[in-house]
Amino acid sequence: AQSVSQHNHHVILSEAASLELGCNYSYGGTVNLFWYVQYPGQHLQLLLKYFSGDPLVKGIKGFEAEFIKSKFSFNLRKPSVQWSDTAEYFCAVTPFSGGYNKLIFGAGTRLAVHP
Amino acid sequence: GAVVSQHPSRVICKSGTSVKIECRSLDFQATTMFWYRQFPKQSLMLMATSNEGSKATYEQGVEKDKFLINHASLTLSTLTVTSAHPEDSSFYICSAGRDQSYEQYFGPGTRLTVT
Repeated sequence: AQSVSQHNHHVILSEAASLELGCNYSYGGTVNLFWYVQYPGQHLQLLLKYFSGDPLVKGIKGFEAEFIKSKFSFNLRKPSVQWSDTAEYFCAVTPFSGGYNKLIFGAGTRLAVHP
Repeated sequence: GAVVSQHPSRVICKSGTSVKIECRSLDFQATTMFWYRQFPKQSLMLMATSNEGSKATYEQGVEKDKFLINHASLTLSTLTVTSAHPEDSSFYICSAGRDQSYEQYFGPGTRLTVT
């Protein structure tokens, strides 16, 4: 079955620290990849997405992610986190088949940034 | 653009009653809408995919007679939880997709509590 694994369930960082959240998926074909963020009390928002082209994608708020096809990975990074980045982060994958397909979500990573 | 609303944001109902949750795309036409369920501190689980004017496609394990989905127009989908039980208490989230895009735009969610 298709699945998405997020390695870190809970991450605690100090402000200005660098962040990397791991995401791996199990699907052999073409995929669309997403990172969503859910701030406390708010709805899911798209951070960034990869459909094709440059495997290093930049998103909002200084986040970026790199698609490494050979490793089936799409890790999220930010060089210097802020307290306002405290949120839950979800990696999601859509196996591509030419139409709408379901998003398969990872379990999420809860990030807490301390001042 | 691409705003999705849900109503109500919170609902409390008694066991055995039915509850309807609305999902609206406010500034675009959504050919496809998705319904998710999110348990506390867990990821989103897709319940069903609905296309305007046709029957919803339910994920394995989701009772279609219990979770009735109607997608009567390009801007509105409804989820009705019939004969609700306390175990149906959860956070229900909808998302909507536009033509020519594989992105999904998420609503703010509805917290259902069944007493």
